Amino acid sequence: QKEVEQDPGPLSVPEGAIVSLNCTYSNSAFQYFMWYRQYSRKGPELLMYTYSSGNKEDGRFTAQVDKSSKYISLFIRDSQPSDSATYLCAMSASNTDKLIFGTGTRLQVFP
Amino acid sequence: NAGVTQTPKFRILKIGQSMTLQCAQDMNHNYMYWYRQDPGMGLKLIYYSVGAGITDKGEVPNGYNVSRSTTEDFPLRLELAAPSQTSVYFCASSRQGGEKLFFGSGTQLSVL
Repeated sequence: QKEVEQDPGPLSVPEGAIVSLNCTYSNSAFQYFMWYRQYSRKGPELLMYTYSSGNKEDGRFTAQVDKSSKYISLFIRDSQPSDSATYLCAMSASNTDKLIFGTGTRLQVFP
Repeated sequence: NAGVTQTPKFRILKIGQSMTLQCAQDMNHNYMYWYRQDPGMGLKLIYYSVGAGITDKGEVPNGYNVSRSTTEDFPLRLELAAPSQTSVYFCASSRQGGEKLFFGSGTQLSVL
């Protein structure tokens, strides 16, 4: 079993839809959770960063962590074609540990 | 502020050739990393460094070597290129290990 599981998609939604992207993990020691967005032929860029459980909101994006279920989510409201990208989750147990990445979910938002 | 700079952007190698992928960061980050990304496979850690003079293997180190003589630079060396090393390579840096990574724009390498 991989430490971090992520559905590769692709996920195709119409503009304006609410998108839910998810990752599950097996290591209960993970405390730092991140979402990266990667456009085609570009390096990943950090989108959201959360510590421990709870929600964090930034504009149209909300990151949610449920440590009891070992499940994290990224919600995108009012999705735009410019949100079309691959979204990778990443997590670590401490701020000195290496990040463990999911395989990424490819999202396509069509007009 | 340049961030993480990788060169070259594209390269084609013949089997058995060697090359060095360059990576430099100007954020005074202690941690630096090399990842490879294959389609549908996510990011695989090749090597990482926690500071100048200190390097360690990641998940897929075979066929690669690294050095870290300065805080800024972290080159990745391929000694005998093989078709299995065809991939996109990303260099990244962070202030500490579990913190947010800053990625370069990648090097697309083909070994034919």
